[in-house]
Amino acid sequence: AQTVTQSQPEMSVQEAETVTLSCTYDTSENNYYLFWYKQPPSRQMILVIRQEAYKQQNATENRFSVNFQKAAKSFSLKISDSQLGDTAMYFCAFMKLRGSQGNLIFGKGTKLSVKP
Amino acid sequence: GAGVSQSPRYKVAKRGQDVALRCDPISGHVSLFWYQQALGQGPEFLTYFQNEAQLDKSGLPSDRFFAERPEGSVSTLKIQRTQQEDSAVYLCASSPRGREAGGIQETQYFGPGTRLLVL
Repeated sequence: AQTVTQSQPEMSVQEAETVTLSCTYDTSENNYYLFWYKQPPSRQMILVIRQEAYKQQNATENRFSVNFQKAAKSFSLKISDSQLGDTAMYFCAFMKLRGSQGNLIFGKGTKLSVKP
Repeated sequence: GAGVSQSPRYKVAKRGQDVALRCDPISGHVSLFWYQQALGQGPEFLTYFQNEAQLDKSGLPSDRFFAERPEGSVSTLKIQRTQQEDSAVYLCASSPRGREAGGIQETQYFGPGTRLLVL
């Protein structure tokens, strides 16, 4: 069975600074996807960034980038130039390809607070 | 355009009552997922539909949970004889295509959730 671990229940960062959220996962699969989803307070969960396991290049979306270390089964999210609107719960999620219909396995989340 | 909507947003039920939670996915989306999010936890997968076919129900916690999507659009998650441990936020998500069409990795668009409290 696959598991996703987010070891930082809460983090805070000053506006305009950089913060890194950690995620590790456990799987015996070789092909899979990894995702970071953001859940703002009282708002819907939205996709931040995705990474295909067979791609070595780290994904980047504007101020958001990942550090994907396949051998270490690590998938951290870096947020640069943090903005107040980045305040949210961040969930790391895993999706296997073999025998899957696309359901996501989530970690417990990290609550990020961006302070002015 | 309209996103995924869910109703009701909040539901309080007495233990033993039956409840029905509705999900309206984005129009035309083939795939529909239900997740359960307990307080302080990440969402956990319950069940998956491709159009009207329920292809995976491995996450349903007991036979008290039942889901349907009869016309391949709106879906209903029904919980019979609710228990206190059923208290959670129930999230619905949809995505454009299914696995056969190569869409397994597509973005899942989440609804706002239904917060269920069982007393």
